[in-house]
Amino acid sequence: QSVLTQPTSASGTPGQRVTLSCSGSSSNIGSNYVYWYQQLPGTAPKLLMYRNHQRPSGVPDRFSGSKSGTSASLAISGLRSEDEADYYCATWDDSLSAVVFGGGTKLTVL
Amino acid sequence: EVQLVESGGGLVPPGGSLRLSCAASGFTFSRYDMHWVRQGIGQGLEWISGIGTAGDTYYPGSVKGRFTISREDDKNSLYLQVDSLRAEDTAVYYCARRFQTYDAFDIWGQGTMVTVTS
Repeated sequence: QSVLTQPTSASGTPGQRVTLSCSGSSSNIGSNYVYWYQQLPGTAPKLLMYRNHQRPSGVPDRFSGSKSGTSASLAISGLRSEDEADYYCATWDDSLSAVVFGGGTKLTVL
Repeated sequence: EVQLVESGGGLVPPGGSLRLSCAASGFTFSRYDMHWVRQGIGQGLEWISGIGTAGDTYYPGSVKGRFTISREDDKNSLYLQVDSLRAEDTAVYYCARRFQTYDAFDIWGQGTMVTVTS
């Protein structure tokens, strides 16, 4: 059972906009930055978003992040087949004194 | 090229031990906090340890006392000693660099598989 809650799966068609959610509590998302990682099949995770909505260099602006209260979202616009991957949110949890991850959302591009 | 390469995984019986290694290249290793994250087969990511540039260490409660993270800056290497292994420790173990500017894990290794089985 992950501390952060993510939908198990999501899907969209090419060109569509999809939004992935991540829900936490006051001790984690509510008081800390949120990060997003993309994991393509059979590969290591890759940093996609830091400090809620900042994109590392090289990440297309089709990806955007936001946070409100104890929830965060990752939006992907202009969906492409290469976006098919697992997406994980992460943050620090003040109560656990630990980095915590969501269970991940498997995004399928139909 | 900035790179992290893990090694040391394998098959181990319950109660056994392993020492995982992570070789860093392409950056000044001593200037970065380093971490280990694991992923059970078909499962999500789990942070299991971190070490600062001064050697300060951090663990979640789930592994505290069984796992020990360490580093050798003169060898550009990170280690994870894993003891009293259980079936639920079976996972791919990744090392990751924490980039201070992003305050996030920006570089990951390819992972090393640990299988705990009798």
